[in-house]
Amino acid sequence: KQEVTQIPAALSVPEGENLVLNCSFTDSAIYNLQWFRQDPGKGLTSLLLIQSSQREQTSGRLNASLDKSSGRSTLYIAASQPGDSATYLCAAPPYNQGGKLIFGQGTELSVKP
Amino acid sequence: DAGVIQSPRHEVTEMGQEVTLRCKPISGHDYLFWYRQTMMRGLELLIYFNNNVPIDDSGMPEDRFSAKMPNASFSTLKIQPSEPRDSAVYFCASSQIYGAVRTEAFFGQGTRLTVV
Repeated sequence: KQEVTQIPAALSVPEGENLVLNCSFTDSAIYNLQWFRQDPGKGLTSLLLIQSSQREQTSGRLNASLDKSSGRSTLYIAASQPGDSATYLCAAPPYNQGGKLIFGQGTELSVKP
Repeated sequence: DAGVIQSPRHEVTEMGQEVTLRCKPISGHDYLFWYRQTMMRGLELLIYFNNNVPIDDSGMPEDRFSAKMPNASFSTLKIQPSEPRDSAVYFCASSQIYGAVRTEAFFGQGTRLTVV
């Protein structure tokens, strides 16, 4: 059974700092891994998708890496801004289960001006 | 495409009433998922469909919950009778698979359900 864990549960940093959010999963047989952002009271916005054959993906100031052998993914945010404040969730779909997303509990990020 | 569309955005109902949540997936997507989000339990997968067929409903909490997908562009999640503990945000998501590659999953804005 796939289990996804995110550490830390909450993080507060000053504006401009580079930061790393962590995601670990127990079953390495995954289709891919997806990072989402959720603002309070809103839906989930897809940030990055890393296919199982890839090691990393980049979008602007965001870089996500995937290490299937260790069951880990990281989301790196460069030069953080107050607008980055949100909850960040990772999700890993088990390969043999139709791609259903198993979510971590999320990391609540606060970037202070 | 307008993305995944859910309705209503907010629903307030009395305990014992029937509630129906609706979802229109992205055109061409062959997977549809229903999730529930609460502070205590986070995001929980309730059920998912592939090509309109329910594949895994093991997350449906009780027989009071049912879901249907009569065609590729519409799905419903029904709660009958509703209870206060069903209060949560319900999300619908869709994605597709090309061979062995699964595309991003896209989420709707959710339906915030309050049962009083």
